[in-house]
Amino acid sequence: GEDVEQSLFLSVREGDSSVINCTYTDSSSTYLYWYKQEPGAGLQLLTYIFSNMDMKQDQRLTVLLNKKDKHLSLRIADTQTGDSAIYFCAESTGGYNKLIFGAGTRLAVHP
Amino acid sequence: DADVTQTPRNRITKTGKRIMLECSQTKGHDRMYWYRQDPGLGLRLIYYSFDVKDINKGEISDGYSVSRQAQAKFSLSLESAIPNQTALYFCATSDSGTGSEQYFGPGTRLTVT
Repeated sequence: GEDVEQSLFLSVREGDSSVINCTYTDSSSTYLYWYKQEPGAGLQLLTYIFSNMDMKQDQRLTVLLNKKDKHLSLRIADTQTGDSAIYFCAESTGGYNKLIFGAGTRLAVHP
Repeated sequence: DADVTQTPRNRITKTGKRIMLECSQTKGHDRMYWYRQDPGLGLRLIYYSFDVKDINKGEISDGYSVSRQAQAKFSLSLESAIPNQTALYFCATSDSGTGSEQYFGPGTRLTVT
């Protein structure tokens, strides 16, 4: 079945780059997403990439997709304390827009 | 005002009780979803609805039921709550385009004792 895996925790120093990794199993995934969850809040879409793309950049965020290895990464440049949150990778397949989520990576940013 | 609202935000209930969680949206979206979040497991889809007449089970629908009362309202019911249904529940909406962003409500924290 479909599965999305992420490491559960990442700690970085303020100002450094953060790289959050994700692997997925469904080769027919059409969209891959990164959502951010701040404490006590719902999920907010950060960025997404269509499966025929290799890279997408949006200000401090860079998404890399390796379709051969089914590997997705999110790089946050110049990480700030406000970036501390849980980051979820998710995939969707077909037109039904059903999302399969990873367990989430908790990013802790320290001075 | 928030586009997706959930009530209640927190609820403590006893085993065996019936409980309803409500979701309303002002985004005009056709599609609505219910997820539960458990630590270390991410979000899992309980039910989804593509319009008022279309209800579908997700990966973990056992023990839950839903009602789509209107385009803007989608409620989740636990007919007889059990402790392992203690979780954070999220409602989400999206429009009908492929790959459309899902917008999440703030969540309902449910504790079953």
